[in-house]
Amino acid sequence: DAGVTQSPTHLIKTRGQQVTLRCSPKSGHDTVSWYQQALGQGPQFIFQYYEEEERQRGNFPDRFSGHQFPNYSSELNVNALLLGDSALYLCASSRWGVGAGELFFGEGSRLTVL
Amino acid sequence: RKEVEQDPGPFNVPEGATVAFNCTYSNSASQSFFWYRQDCRKEPKLLMSVYSSGNEDGRFTAQLNRASQYISLLIRDSKLSDSATYLCVVNINYYDMRFGAGTRLTVKP
Repeated sequence: DAGVTQSPTHLIKTRGQQVTLRCSPKSGHDTVSWYQQALGQGPQFIFQYYEEEERQRGNFPDRFSGHQFPNYSSELNVNALLLGDSALYLCASSRWGVGAGELFFGEGSRLTVL
Repeated sequence: RKEVEQDPGPFNVPEGATVAFNCTYSNSASQSFFWYRQDCRKEPKLLMSVYSSGNEDGRFTAQLNRASQYISLLIRDSKLSDSATYLCVVNINYYDMRFGAGTRLTVKP
């Protein structure tokens, strides 16, 4: 049973560039949430997708956008990268309708912005 | 005030020690509470849910005090393998789980 998979695992970009991160949820899960984790901090909620729609959004600017596909996989896009966007980006999957419960995380995509 | 605040740590304890972590949350409407564990450079994983009546899982005990908006995690008989960062997580609404900054624990021989 494949868990949550994310790609790429590491990437380096320069300021002003754009990046796309990808996530495949755990088998049987239909909901994907994205988190940003800066060094020494806890994960910060970016947004959540279910049925290909953004259901909730955290306190992140419009430079952060996402998408969910019919197969439940998801992408996170960040435009006009800033140095402060350097972080570990975590994707978490869950099942809608189960209620707040366990989030299954991928190993993350570590983004460095130079 | 941060939505979820934790003891900053780090906690350095010998094997066999008992250690307690505290967490406070600001949103009185929060419904669900969890402790996650995150090993160095790894993803967070659920350690245990926190129930109103308190709950225990082996050496781990979680407590919730809704009146004080306070959550705790007690680890008894610490093992070297318990070394990790412990994240307090509060469900703000159905969609949104908020994480504390984490408390780092190092258990030494």
